[in-house]
Amino acid sequence: DQQVKQNSPSLSVQEGRISILNCDYTNSMFDYFLWYKKYPAEGPTFLISISSIKDKNEDGRFTVFLNKSAKHLSLHIVPSQPGDSAVYFCAASTFTGGGNKLTFGTGTQLKVEL
Amino acid sequence: DAEITQSPRHKITETGRQVTLACHQTWNHNNMFWYRQDLGHGLRLIHYSYGVQDTNKGEVSDGYSVSRSNTEDLPLTLESAASSQTSVYFCASSDLADTQYFGPGTRLTVL
Repeated sequence: DQQVKQNSPSLSVQEGRISILNCDYTNSMFDYFLWYKKYPAEGPTFLISISSIKDKNEDGRFTVFLNKSAKHLSLHIVPSQPGDSAVYFCAASTFTGGGNKLTFGTGTQLKVEL
Repeated sequence: DAEITQSPRHKITETGRQVTLACHQTWNHNNMFWYRQDLGHGLRLIHYSYGVQDTNKGEVSDGYSVSRSNTEDLPLTLESAASSQTSVYFCASSDLADTQYFGPGTRLTVL
């Protein structure tokens, strides 16, 4: 049962335009959400996060939006740059007694074209 | 600078062999995690630990084991390697917050 879903395996965007990556979740117990970026042959790197008590968090070109009623979050990248080409993973956090645990989506491959 | 390292970066082994993948972090984080990444599945949690002597099973723990004897290390052991365990393995660590920091990964091939 996939609790965190990224339904678009790939996305292609022109340089300078907006990239919108989507993520849906099913578990109401998730209380924190994160986006990670991954380049080939490297480990995922943390990009941006949002608490479930907020609906928006912004960090430079990156903004994450959370719609709790729809159990949906999105990552906006404006403007998109060729260096943004990577796989983006959405992750959701739950507290399991001893600490927090992340559940990841399957990832979206973003390609930013010149 | 604090970091998290994994070794080896690449490993080829044969079916039935025991394999141990190393993970070492200098963040002094209590929480450590092992994931595998496969096409179509994203990152799936294998085992995790919230401190010394603490270990827990994740969603895909069959055939894997971990032990935590100190804060810095969480080695992952494949007791008897199978071809289905060919994958890229990532170790991660975190403090009390949610953000996990990942190592560079180990690409394991089981022939």
